[in-house]
Amino acid sequence: DTEVTQTPKHLVMGMTNKKSLKCEQHMGHRAMYWYKQKAKKPPELMFVYSYEKLSINESVPSRFSPECPNSSLLNLHLHALQPEDSALYLCASSQDINLNEQFFGPGTRLTVL
Amino acid sequence: QQQVKQSPQSLIVQKGGISIINCAYENTAFDYFPWYQQFPGKGPALLIAIRPDVSEKKEGRFTISFNKSAKQFSLHIMDSQPGDSATYFCAASMTTDSWGKLQFGAGTQVVVTP
Repeated sequence: DTEVTQTPKHLVMGMTNKKSLKCEQHMGHRAMYWYKQKAKKPPELMFVYSYEKLSINESVPSRFSPECPNSSLLNLHLHALQPEDSALYLCASSQDINLNEQFFGPGTRLTVL
Repeated sequence: QQQVKQSPQSLIVQKGGISIINCAYENTAFDYFPWYQQFPGKGPALLIAIRPDVSEKKEGRFTISFNKSAKQFSLHIMDSQPGDSATYFCAASMTTDSWGKLQFGAGTQVVVTP
């Protein structure tokens, strides 16, 4: 299995809702990443997990809360989002944190109303 | 401050032509240079990557040329096909550090006309 899967594909939520994005990989990779991508822009790094521990938080607002339940799964919990948080949220993984061949999932298209 | 500068912003090429995208960087500590291809509504897919110990790498119709002294690298798409129409991102990172963040270029939208 050489892919990163993400669910859901699309998500529409109100500013008072709580929702979660899920990411899964079965490549035995020990580093996992969350990125945010706005239209016509490159991906922006949000969080990095290495060996299930949060290694990097790129000063992301606390309304985004990552979680790594095990080495194959990565969640992003969303609460009290703003309309400007609407974007494509991408998960990626790599064999290790300093082996930068990152493989991206298809993304979750999030719309905040 | 953008660490990797990518040009052009967009490119239109006829089927069978050559698409060329250029990237430039300043940080000489970068030692890994990947290119990603992204179709609308999809995640970026790693296309090809190069390290600075080689000047060229070819995979099928895709070639990376690397000029270490000029701190530039480029992607050439030979015999461009309509299916190559996508956005292409170059990137750079340091893998010798404990953590090498991927620094992306701004992206190039390539349209291949039939």
